[in-house]
Amino acid sequence: QKEVEQDPGPLSVPEGAIVSLNCTYSNSAFQYFMWYRQYSRKGPELLMYTYSSGNKEDGRFTAQVDKSSKYISLFIRDSQPSDSATYLCAFSTSGTYKYIFGTGTRLKVLA
Amino acid sequence: NAGVTQTPKFRILKIGQSMTLQCTQDMNHNYMYWYRQDPGMGLKLIYYSVGAGITDKGEVPNGYNVSRSTTEDFPLRLELAAPSQTSVYFCASSGQGRKLAYNEQFFGPGTRLTVL
Repeated sequence: QKEVEQDPGPLSVPEGAIVSLNCTYSNSAFQYFMWYRQYSRKGPELLMYTYSSGNKEDGRFTAQVDKSSKYISLFIRDSQPSDSATYLCAFSTSGTYKYIFGTGTRLKVLA
Repeated sequence: NAGVTQTPKFRILKIGQSMTLQCTQDMNHNYMYWYRQDPGMGLKLIYYSVGAGITDKGEVPNGYNVSRSTTEDFPLRLELAAPSQTSVYFCASSGQGRKLAYNEQFFGPGTRLTVL
């Protein structure tokens, strides 16, 4: 079983749709859960991070963590063409500075 | 602040050639990392450093070498380039926060390398 699994997509949605991006993981020691956004031919940039189970909201973005199911999600409300990018989930354990990344989901929001 | 800068942006190498990918950060971060990103494979850690003079292997170190003589610079050396090293290479850095705390990694713009 892979340590992190993420559907590569591509996922195409109309502008204004609610987007749900997901990752599953197998390492119960993961304590930090991140979502990075990567535009084409650019480096990844941090979008959101969470530490505990539950929801964290930032504008149109909501990160959700379910540690019991080992499942994390990123929801994008009122999606915009500018949200078109690859979204990577990332995980780390407490006391470490190394991340484990998902393979990324390519999202395209159609105007 | 420029953040994390990488040079060159693009490079084509012939099999067996060598080159150094440069990475510099101006955020006074202790931790620096080199990743490679292949299509559909996510980011794989090649080497990392926790401070000047200290480096360690990541998940895919074979065929690469690193050094860290200053806090700012973390070059990645490819010896005897092979087609399997065709990839996009990203350098990243993170600061030393409180122990056990989360440290955001900041990424450079990447170097696209093709080995023919």
